[in-house]
Amino acid sequence: EPEVTQTPSHQVTQMGQEVILRCVPISNHLYFYWYRQILGQKVEFLVSFYNNEISEKSEIFDDQFSVERPDGSNFTLKIRSTKLEDSAMYFCASISQVGGAHTEAFFGQGTRLTVV
Amino acid sequence: GQSLEQPSEVTAVEGAIVQINCTYQTSGFYGLSWYQQHDGGAPTFLSYNALDGLEETGRFSSFLSRSDSYGYLLLQELQMKDSASYFCAVLAGGYNKLIFGAGTRLAVHP
Repeated sequence: EPEVTQTPSHQVTQMGQEVILRCVPISNHLYFYWYRQILGQKVEFLVSFYNNEISEKSEIFDDQFSVERPDGSNFTLKIRSTKLEDSAMYFCASISQVGGAHTEAFFGQGTRLTVV
Repeated sequence: GQSLEQPSEVTAVEGAIVQINCTYQTSGFYGLSWYQQHDGGAPTFLSYNALDGLEETGRFSSFLSRSDSYGYLLLQELQMKDSASYFCAVLAGGYNKLIFGAGTRLAVHP
């Protein structure tokens, strides 16, 4: 069964360092998302990506964040200068199509980012 | 903007039925989804309602009333493995924004 894969599963980084979180969405999907979940809290929307560009972003997704789909398969989230409050689980998700009778987002298993 | 309201916690016993409500405010509404998340795991899709009415999938059913901006998830014949967080989510804002509620933590007891 196709699945969204994320690497690494856990990353520890020092405050101020850059991190890149990687995702491989399901191959025929068109819509890609990054979410953040601080331990025990809600799943927060960061950004959506469609047709090789950002289509929506939240107020959390400031200039420190960027996304890329460099090669048609990988989908990356970069945090330029990490802060302690960036510590969270980051989930990548993809959807094949939206609207209509059925819309299902498939989530990767997440990358736990710890900023020290 | 978008906002979703759902209860923070629900407790029930094995074999019982539980209903988790969700009310939403959003522009450009396309549908209401439900996701389950076990501790330490990723959200997994349960159901999606684009139209008013009830959708049934095994022990789980989901309902939507667009006029009331309201939906619910109904879990029947509860099992211990159903203990998890349940999130309602709206697809809104031009199809490209899937926004989650704060989640309802369901605890199923013997």
